This record gives sequence, structure tokens and C-alpha cells, in this order.
Amino acid sequence: AQTVTQSQPEMSVQEAETVTLSCTYDTSESNYYLFWYKQPPSRQMILVIRQEAYKQQNATENRFSVNFQKAAKSFSLKISDSQLGDTAMYFCAFSQGGSEKLVFGKGTKLTVNP
Amino acid sequence: GAGVSQSPRYKVAKRGQDVALRCDPISGHVSLFWYQQALGQGPEFLTYFQNEAQLDKSGLPSDRFFAERPEGSVSTLKIQRTQQEDSAVYLCASRLTGGFEKLFFGSGTQLSVL
Repeated sequence: AQTVTQSQPEMSVQEAETVTLSCTYDTSESNYYLFWYKQPPSRQMILVIRQEAYKQQNATENRFSVNFQKAAKSFSLKISDSQLGDTAMYFCAFSQGGSEKLVFGKGTKLTVNP
Repeated sequence: GAGVSQSPRYKVAKRGQDVALRCDPISGHVSLFWYQQALGQGPEFLTYFQNEAQLDKSGLPSDRFFAERPEGSVSTLKIQRTQQEDSAVYLCASRLTGGFEKLFFGSGTQLSVL
């Protein structure tokens, strides 16, 4: 079974600084997708960024980028120029190719301080 | 509506009561998912519908949990004889077509079983 591990329960960063959230996963599959979701207090899960395992190039979305290390099974999220609105829970998630299930980690609570 | 709507937002039940949680997906969305998010955890997959067909119910934790989507639109998650361990946020998500980048989540129903 696939597992996703987020080892940082809480992180904090100063506004405008950069922060990196860690995620590792375990799978024997070669075809899979990785995601970072943001969950603000409203509870609505919002997709931040996704990465296809077959792509070597790291995904980027504006201030958000990932460091995908396939051999190490590591998928970290870097948030640049942190903003107060980035304060939220962040979940790393995995999906096996062809599956309709998302497997989530336990999350990291990120606080951006003014 | 503009997004996935879930009702009620909060539900308090006495142990042993039956509850019904409603999900109104985005109009026309074919796929519908239910996830359970216990306190301090990431969401866990419960079940998946494509139109009115329940294609995967492998995540339902017991036979007390039942989900339906009779007309391929609104879905109801029913929990019979609620127990304290059922306390969680129940998230619904819908998608027209495509991958998880096209998935939209609702704000969930927070169920507290006393």
C-alpha cells in the first residue's frame, strides 16, 4: 500500500521569506502523481501544485515549486515570498496512475508571520 | 451553484443516532468523491461515484456507512448507529472529467458524535 509521510507537524515563516515543506512517499509503482493541497480554515482543499512521476522537470506555479527526487521518493514544496494568505494546513498527496484515490499525508500547519 | 456545496456544515449527533450528510456537486460534474478527515489527520478516501454508479466503496469503514447518488447529481452519505470514532470532517469533491487537477472540494461537514 502507498503511504505518504509529512514529518513536520508545524512550520512558521516570516512574510516575504521562503519556506520548504517536506514529504516522502512509499510506492512500488512507476506511474503515479504527486500533489500538494492547501486547506485553509474554511476546510476547502485547494490544489497548489502537481507533479507527474514520469516528468523529470520540477513543477512550478508562480511562487510555489517542488523538488521532486524520484529515487529518494521525496517531494518537497517550496513557497517563495511567503504571504499572510499562505497560512493554512498543507497536505502532500499521492495517486497511483489509473486510480481514483488520493492518499494524503497528515499535513503540515504553516503559519506566515507579519 | 458556483462550487461544491455540503450541508449541514456542522452536525452533532448522540451516539447511536443515524445521520445523513448531503453533497451538491458542481452542476454537470460526472465524478463525485467522499473523504473522511479525522482531527489532525489527512483526508482518507471513502467512496467514488461516476454518475449514479458507485464504482469504488473500498474505503467505507464499516457496513454502517452507506452512500448513494441516485440521479447522478446530489449525493448523500449516511451513517447508521453513529459511534464516537465517526467524529470527523466529511469532505465531498466533484469533477467533470480529467485528472485530479480538475477536482473541486466542498468545505465539508464536521460531525461530532457525543
